[in-house]
Amino acid sequence: DTGVSQDPRHKITKRGQNVTFRCDPISEHNRLYWYRQTLGQGPEFLTYFQNEAQLEKSRLLSDRFSAERPKGSFSTLEIQRTEQGDSAMYLCASRTGTDGSTEAFFGQGTRLTVV
Amino acid sequence: AQTVTQSQPEMSVQEAETVTLSCTYDTSESDYYLFWYKQPPSRQMILVIRQEAYKQQNATENRFSVNFQKAAKSFSLKISDSQLGDAAMYFCAYFDPSGTYKYIFGTGTRLKVLA
Repeated sequence: DTGVSQDPRHKITKRGQNVTFRCDPISEHNRLYWYRQTLGQGPEFLTYFQNEAQLEKSRLLSDRFSAERPKGSFSTLEIQRTEQGDSAMYLCASRTGTDGSTEAFFGQGTRLTVV
Repeated sequence: AQTVTQSQPEMSVQEAETVTLSCTYDTSESDYYLFWYKQPPSRQMILVIRQEAYKQQNATENRFSVNFQKAAKSFSLKISDSQLGDAAMYFCAYFDPSGTYKYIFGTGTRLKVLA
């Protein structure tokens, strides 16, 4: 297993277009997170899955954002009608277990640029 | 709501010297986990060290150690014998295992290692 994989690594899109990102977690990890990171800031929580169930969504996640994790495996994050303010690094992380004793493993992220 | 504060946007250290990165947090919980993650340029975040709040003993991982002061809600990271490969963004993170299961990150400290 090579860790958490995210695709694409970079995406440039025009304002108003839809984009979709994919995250493949470590295979036995039942918990999956999406975070957004802008320049000079720490990662901000977007949403969290336990298996296929989306258990929490941040208020940062407007109606233009949707995330899925069908069958509890890979996850997708879609942004509709992109805006320049959506430009950021989108990070995916996965972990197993129910407490904090297991670490979260992060992917390399998808850098989105909206022009 | 829990918050994490890193008041040092940037720190520098001479190679082979020791540096301490600061982190404070706010929570009303008594059982939680604290982490330091390292984010090298253009690479994914990796776990440096983890501390469980109910353990009074400070965690240590080779050249990395923490000073955990629960009453003061302080969690600093000490890097001894600094190496060029330690240069990165360092993020302090809080995890509440009884609540939302999400990680809350600080804004990060950029560490520069001078040869």
